[in-house]
Amino acid sequence: AQKVTQAQTEISVVEKEDVTLDCVYETRDTTYYLFWYKQPPSGELVFLIRRNSFDEQNEISGRYSWNFQKSTSSFNFTITASQVVDSAVYFCALTDNLDSSYKLIFGSGTRLLVRP
Amino acid sequence: DTGVSQDPRHKITKRGQNVTFRCDPISEHNRLYWYRQTLGQGPEFLTYFQNEAQLEKSRLLSDRFSAERPKGSFSTLEIQRTEQGDSAMYLCASSLGGSNEQFFGPGTRLTVL
Repeated sequence: AQKVTQAQTEISVVEKEDVTLDCVYETRDTTYYLFWYKQPPSGELVFLIRRNSFDEQNEISGRYSWNFQKSTSSFNFTITASQVVDSAVYFCALTDNLDSSYKLIFGSGTRLLVRP
Repeated sequence: DTGVSQDPRHKITKRGQNVTFRCDPISEHNRLYWYRQTLGQGPEFLTYFQNEAQLEKSRLLSDRFSAERPKGSFSTLEIQRTEQGDSAMYLCASSLGGSNEQFFGPGTRLTVL
């Protein structure tokens, strides 16, 4: 069965601190896809990144970076030098080839509060 | 704006009434998904379409729920005889193909009194 666990319910940091959001996933398939989405107070889910299971290279995009480790079934997200605008709920999600719908299985989200 | 749009953004209704939501996906996207999100939770899958065909429905989708996507363009989600437990954010997403990223609309927040 597919499952995504985001154990951190809420994180509070002071602006300019680095913060890492954890994501652990479960799937029986060897081909799967992992995603991160941001949900600001406005409510709209904003796509951040998609990774497939065959690409374990870490990725950096500006202040954002992602660490994908198949050995620990984790896909963690780090924000460097956090800003107040980073305050939002962040969701990790999973889909795989065993399910032709490719529906997204979401974690319960981590609420990030960045204080000035 | 070429993103996913949803209408209405907010809906307040009385228990027992019927409601209908609309989703307009990104024009070239062949897949359209409906999710439901309750407070403090991640979105949960309801159903999806590939072009005009509805290919899967979640167990969350009781027989009071029906969705359509005529001509493979926009989609509607209707809830009949609404219950207080239906109060949630209903999200629509579209994608080009299966494993590609899904782009979400702003959602319709339903409140059933």
